[in-house]
Amino acid sequence: AQKVTQAQTEISVVEKEDVTLDCVYETRDTTYYLFWYKQPPSGELVFLIRRNSFDEQNEISGRYSWNFQKSTSSFNFTITASQVVDSAVYFCALRGGNAGNMLTFGGGTRLMVKP
Amino acid sequence: KAGVTQTPRYLIKTRGQQVTLSCSPISGHRSVSWYQQTPGQGLQFLFEYFSETQRNKGNFPGRFSGRQFSNSRSEMNVSTLELGDSALYLCASSRISGYETQYFGPGTRLLVL
Repeated sequence: AQKVTQAQTEISVVEKEDVTLDCVYETRDTTYYLFWYKQPPSGELVFLIRRNSFDEQNEISGRYSWNFQKSTSSFNFTITASQVVDSAVYFCALRGGNAGNMLTFGGGTRLMVKP
Repeated sequence: KAGVTQTPRYLIKTRGQQVTLSCSPISGHRSVSWYQQTPGQGLQFLFEYFSETQRNKGNFPGRFSGRQFSNSRSEMNVSTLELGDSALYLCASSRISGYETQYFGPGTRLLVL
């Protein structure tokens, strides 16, 4: 069975602080995909990044960066110099190699960035 | 390119009624998946349709069903509504199944009274 754990249910930071959102996953698949989605108050899930299990290279996109470590089954997300617009719920998700498009989501982390 | 669209955006029903939700995927996308989001259970996979065939199904009772049309548009139906069916129902699409990123629509908020 697949499982995704986001231990931080809620994080509050002040604008310009750096913040890291943790994601730990469990799977028996050798091939799998990891995702991060952002859910603003409007409700729509906005895609941020996808990582394949065979590609452990970390990625940076502007103020966003992701640290994928297979050894610890973690896929953490860091926002540098946070802004009020980053306030949202962030979800980490896992898709097994033979699961079609079935995503297993973590419980989400609510990030509040205060001015 | 237009994103995933879902109709209606908001819906109020009473217990025992049935409801049909619609999802139009991004043009060229043939896979459509449905998810239920509730405060208690979080985001849960309902089912996936690809080329008009159900490819995967989550752990939901038979009251939840879906279908996909030849133009890739999908509908999901919930019969004999229960209070616990109140949720945000999200639809996602991708070009093919299993290899690509899914893009989500804005969701349909269903309230069952």
